[in-house]
Amino acid sequence: EVQLVDSGGGLVQPGGSLRLSCATSGFMFSAYWMSWVRQAPRKGLEWVADIKQDGSEKYHGNSVKGRFTISRDNAKNSLFLQMNSLRVEDTAVYYCVRESVAPWGGFDYWGQGTLVTVSS
Amino acid sequence: SYELSQPPSVSVSPGQTASITCSGDKLGDKPVCWYQQKPGQSPVLVIYQDTKRPSGIPERFSGSNSGNTATLTISGTHVMDEADYYCQTWDIKVFGGGTKLTVL
Repeated sequence: EVQLVDSGGGLVQPGGSLRLSCATSGFMFSAYWMSWVRQAPRKGLEWVADIKQDGSEKYHGNSVKGRFTISRDNAKNSLFLQMNSLRVEDTAVYYCVRESVAPWGGFDYWGQGTLVTVSS
Repeated sequence: SYELSQPPSVSVSPGQTASITCSGDKLGDKPVCWYQQKPGQSPVLVIYQDTKRPSGIPERFSGSNSGNTATLTISGTHVMDEADYYCQTWDIKVFGGGTKLTVL
C-alpha cells in the first residue's frame, strides 16, 4: 500500500524557518517525481515545488522561489521542504504528493498534510 | 501568469448529471486533471489526461477538454459525491479556484 506521511509543521514567527518531511512507503520512491502542494485555510490548492527522481532537477513556484527548497533522500525514501523567511501568507496545510508515471498523469497519491502556521 | 476559472458552486439533485467547468486561454491544448476533496480529507485524483479515470474511480466520472473549457461530468450523482472539485493544467501545474458541488 502506498503511504505518504507528512510531518514537521507547527507554529513559527514571521521570518522564521521550518523543515517539512515526508516519509514514504509501498512504492519505489526513486522512480517518481515528487511535489509539495499547499492549501491555505478555506482556500484552494497551490503547487509549491517539485523534484525529479534523482534530484537533478527542481522547480519552485513563483510565490516561494528563493525562500523554499525542495530536496529528497532516495536512500531513506523521504521528501523534504526547507522553508525560510516565512511569511504570514505561507500559512497553509502542506501536502507531500506523488506524481504519476503516466504521461500527464496528475498527482496520484497525497499525504495527509501538515499544518504550518506563521504568526507572531 | 496563466489562470483557470471555475464556478464557485454547483448544485445538483441526486441521480442527476452534474457538470463542472474550468476555463482558461487555449485550455484545450493543455492536459487537464481533476481532483475531488471532501471536508477534512486530502484531495483525490478523479480524472487525468483530460478524460482518463484512475483505478478505483467510478465510471460516472468523466472529463472532456476543448477550446477554452474543460468539463468534469458526474452522471447519476450520488450524495457521496458532494465535495470540492479542482481542475489543474498538468504542464504548468496551475490549479483552478475550486467548485463546491452540493447534492440535494
